[in-house]
Amino acid sequence: AQTVTQSQPEMSVQEAETVTLSCTYDTSESDYYLFWYKQPPSRQMILVIRQEAYKQQNATENRFSVNFQKAAKSFSLKISDSQLGDAAMYFCAYPSYDKVIFGPGTSLSVIP
Amino acid sequence: EAGVVQSPRYKIIEKKQPVAFWCNPISGHNTLYWYRQNLGQGPELLIRYENEEAVDDSQLPKDRFSAERLKGVDSTLKIQPAELGDSAVYLCASSPWVAETQYFGPGTRLLVL
Repeated sequence: AQTVTQSQPEMSVQEAETVTLSCTYDTSESDYYLFWYKQPPSRQMILVIRQEAYKQQNATENRFSVNFQKAAKSFSLKISDSQLGDAAMYFCAYPSYDKVIFGPGTSLSVIP
Repeated sequence: EAGVVQSPRYKIIEKKQPVAFWCNPISGHNTLYWYRQNLGQGPELLIRYENEEAVDDSQLPKDRFSAERLKGVDSTLKIQPAELGDSAVYLCASSPWVAETQYFGPGTRLLVL
């Protein structure tokens, strides 16, 4: 069965610094997609970044990038030049036709 | 383009009362999801529709929860009767298909007293 684990319930980062949030998953499928979503306090969940498993190149969106290690089933999110607006809950997600699973989340605080 | 619309935004009811939530997905999105999110936790999928077909309702407590998606567009999630433990945020999301980006609504915050 597919599972998604986020081992860091809380993280903090100084403004302008870099932080990495970790996510591991388990699946027997060979082709799949992985997502990072952001949920600011009392605001809607939005997409941060998406990775297609068959692509070896790590996805990048401005200050956000992933380190996708397919063999290790690891999918970490790196936030560079952290900003106050990055403070939020971050969820790793694995959607497949059989199951749609979100990790438990990492609460990120940004220190001015 | 309009986003996912949910109503009501907030609902306070007494236990054993019924409650219903409504969701209007983004036009053209075939896949619709209902999630329950408890405070400080990740969303838990309750049911997923592909058009009007429920393809994953394994986590839906069927003794008290029901859902429908008529004509493959709008959807309603109902709880009857509500229990104290049902207090949570109920999120609706839609996507073109299951492996595409999900777009979330603002959620309905339910408080059962």
